[in-house]
Amino acid sequence: NAGVTQTPKFRILKIGQSMTLQCAQDMNHNYMYWYRQDPGMGLKLIYYSVGAGITDKGEVPNGYNVSRSTTEDFPLRLELAAPSQTSVYFCASSSSGQGTEAFFGQGTRLTVV
Amino acid sequence: GENVEQHPSTLSVQEGDSAVIKCTYSDSASNYFPWYKQELGKRPQLIIDIRSNVGEKKDQRIAVTLNKTAKHFSLHITETQPEDSAVYFCAAGTHSGTYKYIFGTGTRLKVLA
Repeated sequence: NAGVTQTPKFRILKIGQSMTLQCAQDMNHNYMYWYRQDPGMGLKLIYYSVGAGITDKGEVPNGYNVSRSTTEDFPLRLELAAPSQTSVYFCASSSSGQGTEAFFGQGTRLTVV
Repeated sequence: GENVEQHPSTLSVQEGDSAVIKCTYSDSASNYFPWYKQELGKRPQLIIDIRSNVGEKKDQRIAVTLNKTAKHFSLHITETQPEDSAVYFCAAGTHSGTYKYIFGTGTRLKVLA
């Protein structure tokens, strides 16, 4: 199993550009999450989804959008990139909402200049 | 909102000594408490977890304790080895509305040979 796959691994954006971070999981997990990790900091929840067609805001949703058209995919969209969005982004998934392991992707390192 | 505090932010121990990392959560609805290890440049990976109906859990050199009344949980690593050096994150899984994981800010553990 590939688990959780994120693309790209690295990206440099100019201020005002847009991009989509891709996340796919092959474990048939219902729950998927997007976190950002700033240098020396913890993981902040951006958005999450409990199933196809259902998404909700986390702690730091401003400047981001998500969609969940299939169980497998949970892309994160950045509109009008800002330097404050320079971070490492992790996608994660879990099988259920009753306390199960969250599996993480390898991360996307994004720099906005 | 939900919050998880983690202490200390950095911890240095001599090889063979024990390390203890402590977390406090705010949401009494939290029922699942995983600990993740993140090596430099890599994704977080689960090392141990505990559910709210259990007070302690051990797995070889690592153990986790939970005090639901005080809303505290701790990670204990005994006989530390250089390969234990990493950033450790605690998290609280909470079913407030829909299920999500709130992470602590991380502890950078250095094991000195």
